[in-house]
Amino acid sequence: QVQLVESGGGVVQPGGSLRLSCAASGFIFDTYTMHWVRQAPGKGLEWVALLSHDELYEYYTDSVRGRFTISRDNSQNTLSLELKNLRPEDTALYYCARNGGHSRWSWLDTWGQGTQVTVSS
Amino acid sequence: DLQMTQSPSSLSASVGDRVTITCRASQGISNYLAWYQQKPGKVPKVLIYGASTLQSGVPSRFSGSGSGTDFTLTISSLQPEDVATYYCQKYNSAPYTFGQGTKLEI
Repeated sequence: QVQLVESGGGVVQPGGSLRLSCAASGFIFDTYTMHWVRQAPGKGLEWVALLSHDELYEYYTDSVRGRFTISRDNSQNTLSLELKNLRPEDTALYYCARNGGHSRWSWLDTWGQGTQVTVSS
Repeated sequence: DLQMTQSPSSLSASVGDRVTITCRASQGISNYLAWYQQKPGKVPKVLIYGASTLQSGVPSRFSGSGSGTDFTLTISSLQPEDVATYYCQKYNSAPYTFGQGTKLEI
């Protein structure tokens, strides 16, 4: 079945870095645009970034642009998110999610369980 | 950036009630609108996409309507398992903005 499994979260000091990974299985990974979405404790969902299946286009929400980098390795069915210059407000559960279709703009039809990032001194 | 505003932020209803949640986009988004359900402690799950298309496996008591800037999620007969927070999301372009959520209680 379609599955997304995130890893790499942890506790980091402000200004620090982390690299999150998402292992995909059960579908043809290199045909789907992929996303990261986060949810701060007790708060709503915030879309973070997307990367097209062919890596030709990537987008970020304003608050992370220039600090976060989304990437993928289609040979390993893995999506990554590199987080730099972390701030306390980046503390959240980070979800990996799949595009619901093969068109450029699509809903999110499959979500992982999430990996927790905590930024604290 | 385009804003997505949901109302109400929370509501309480009884089993069997018809429940309606609205979502308004600050600019037109055609029908590029999805609705998600997030039960307490769980992963979000898509209910509706394309404003009105029911995701496979979702009970038929859920329905969506609207186009342009105004959208509605309706639960025709509320069930106890529908206790959750509901989010709308636009996906006509990046950023894929979510609404702030509507917490539904019985």
